Amino acid sequence: DIQMTQSPSSLSASVGDRVTITCRASQSISTYLNWYQQKPGKAPKLLIYDASSLQSGVPSRFSGSGSGTDFTLTISSLQPEDFATYYCQQNYTPYSFGQGTKLEIK
Amino acid sequence: QLQLQESGPGLVKPSETLSLTCTVSGGSISNSDYYWGWIRQPPGKGLEWIGSIYYGGSTYYNPSLKSRVTQSVDTSKNQFSLTLSSVTAADTAVYYCARHKSSDYRDYFDYWGQGTLVTVSS
Repeated sequence: DIQMTQSPSSLSASVGDRVTITCRASQSISTYLNWYQQKPGKAPKLLIYDASSLQSGVPSRFSGSGSGTDFTLTISSLQPEDFATYYCQQNYTPYSFGQGTKLEIK
Repeated sequence: QLQLQESGPGLVKPSETLSLTCTVSGGSISNSDYYWGWIRQPPGKGLEWIGSIYYGGSTYYNPSLKSRVTQSVDTSKNQFSLTLSSVTAADTAVYYCARHKSSDYRDYFDYWGQGTLVTVSS
């Protein structure tokens, strides 16, 4: 099975900051990587699929990059509604998620 | 707008079987472009994929749960279901159903239900 490791596990930032979250796969997964945002008590929301494709309706301040084993999610200018937990997910079965990165207000 | 809604008991006794149903509205479960999946999240923890099913009935499962999981689909009711047998406290989690786009590894879960908390306790 492929293990997904996110870093950092938590992050404090301010509105307007540029933030980068990293996800590393235990073996190469090409670009088969998705990113989700989850707010407390809510279901995850798809942000990015296939490493860099923006899901319809997601603001353009979110972007994804990477291939092989190393991937990043970048938020170019943090907005108040972006404080949440972010998960990466790889697409070889069994599908697996990273442990999450909690983005908190500084 | 597509909506998914989980339903089922919120409390299950240890060693018994957990049964959940997901009702899809605003779209057809028979759409050939999609599978329909289950993901769970223990309180305060991360996400775990359980399995996915196609409207025609083909399924695939997380091997870690495969021996205890059964999925089914009822196209006439636009529903799909999950059963998990021999539950323990470790199966306590929020269970989500989701639409699963599956295409040459470019898979993703793009619509999710709100989730339902299932507690395993005597």
